Amino acid sequence: QMQLKESGPGLVKPSETLSLTCTVSGASVSTSSNYWGWIRRPPGKGLEWIGTIYFTGSTYYKPSLKSRVTISADTSKNQFSLKLRSVTAADTAVYYCARRHQYSLGAVDYWGQGILVTVSS
Amino acid sequence: QSVLTQPPSASGTPGQRVTISCSGSTSNIGSNAVDWYQQLPGTAPKLLMYSNNQRPSGVPDRFSGSKSGTSASLAISGLQSDDEADYYCALWDDSLFGWVFGGGTTLTVL
Repeated sequence: QMQLKESGPGLVKPSETLSLTCTVSGASVSTSSNYWGWIRRPPGKGLEWIGTIYFTGSTYYKPSLKSRVTISADTSKNQFSLKLRSVTAADTAVYYCARRHQYSLGAVDYWGQGILVTVSS
Repeated sequence: QSVLTQPPSASGTPGQRVTISCSGSTSNIGSNAVDWYQQLPGTAPKLLMYSNNQRPSGVPDRFSGSKSGTSASLAISGLQSDDEADYYCALWDDSLFGWVFGGGTTLTVL
């Protein structure tokens, strides 16, 4: 059974970089046709897609966040990571990592438990 | 402001049937399959419906989905108190290689 788990600091100062890692078990991040993504939910708001990394290593970002986001994968550790630069209070949210298989259900069928990141001095 | 529009809230009494709508356009819902996620308080979202009307294994048949033109809907029959949650419509955008989510609907069981 596949599992995803987010890790990283729960508190980040304004203007600094938010760094999170998603550790995948029960599957490989380099397995064909998998999209691995980051999704967040700010308090009192809805879900927001941040970015995606395909099993090939190709990355895709939400246009409004593109200038501040980098997603990468470490196949040796079976992890993928999120870096969000120059954070503000508006980046405070629960961050989820997620998996979509292109030819299976075509939807997010596996989610991490989520990690709350607060941006505050 | 999401391009997929959902009512912010919905409610019903136990046993009742409730429908949650998701409205879009020809460029999103009109061109892509719609998925639905249920997010219970304090938990991660869970896939409830995929490809407009397909239930993943383990999802009760009280939940059903449909799509017509540029709108989709999720119906919950035999409403239960455990159904109190936030519900999101979503789709995979092949031009973004990412997800587009509706604003979410909070369902209250009275």
